[in-house]
Amino acid sequence: RKEVEQDPGPFNVPEGATVAFNCTYSNSASQSFFWYRQDCRKEPKLLMSVYSSGNEDGRFTAQVDKSSKYISLFIRDSQPSDSATYLCEFAQGAQKLVFGQGTRLTINP
Amino acid sequence: GAVVSQHPSRVICKSGTSVKIECRSLDFQATTMFWYRQFPKQSLMLMATSNEGSKATYEQGVEKDKFLINHASLTLSTLTVTSAHPEDSSFYICSARESGSSTEAFFGQGTRLTVV
Repeated sequence: RKEVEQDPGPFNVPEGATVAFNCTYSNSASQSFFWYRQDCRKEPKLLMSVYSSGNEDGRFTAQVDKSSKYISLFIRDSQPSDSATYLCEFAQGAQKLVFGQGTRLTINP
Repeated sequence: GAVVSQHPSRVICKSGTSVKIECRSLDFQATTMFWYRQFPKQSLMLMATSNEGSKATYEQGVEKDKFLINHASLTLSTLTVTSAHPEDSSFYICSARESGSSTEAFFGQGTRLTVV
């Protein structure tokens, strides 16, 4: 079984829709969780850390369910500028980082 | 926030030559750095984990003799693509995480390698 499973998409949704991304992980040792955004031909940049209690930043909400081993990212009122690839990351201590394969998102005006 | 600098950002080389890519953590120490490759419209693929002062750990299918990794200090890791061929043309990205930290990883700007 893969350490991380993430739907590669692509997701094509109309502007204003709510988008949901999920990643599942297999290793219970995963301690820290993050979502990154990657624009075309650029390096990934941190979008949000995922806290156990969940966190929200504007239109973006991140959640983790450790019992079911998945994390989620929600984008409300999606905008064309949200079009990018979104990657989840799981950290197991400082030595091991595991990324999902990324989900491509296109928001259509 | 922490910064990771990767150099060069773009390189074109002839088939058969070698190319060295540097990854530096500018304001933190990184015991471990990670090297990725990304082909167009595909996801990041972990190539190897670079460990300061010891041998790198390569992912399955990545030739260690072709992709030489050296992590000689806590702030610098290098990836050398030896005897490059056109199929090695790709986007190579490094990332680093502060030693002993549980914070996010920081990425270099990436190197776009074109082998002609």
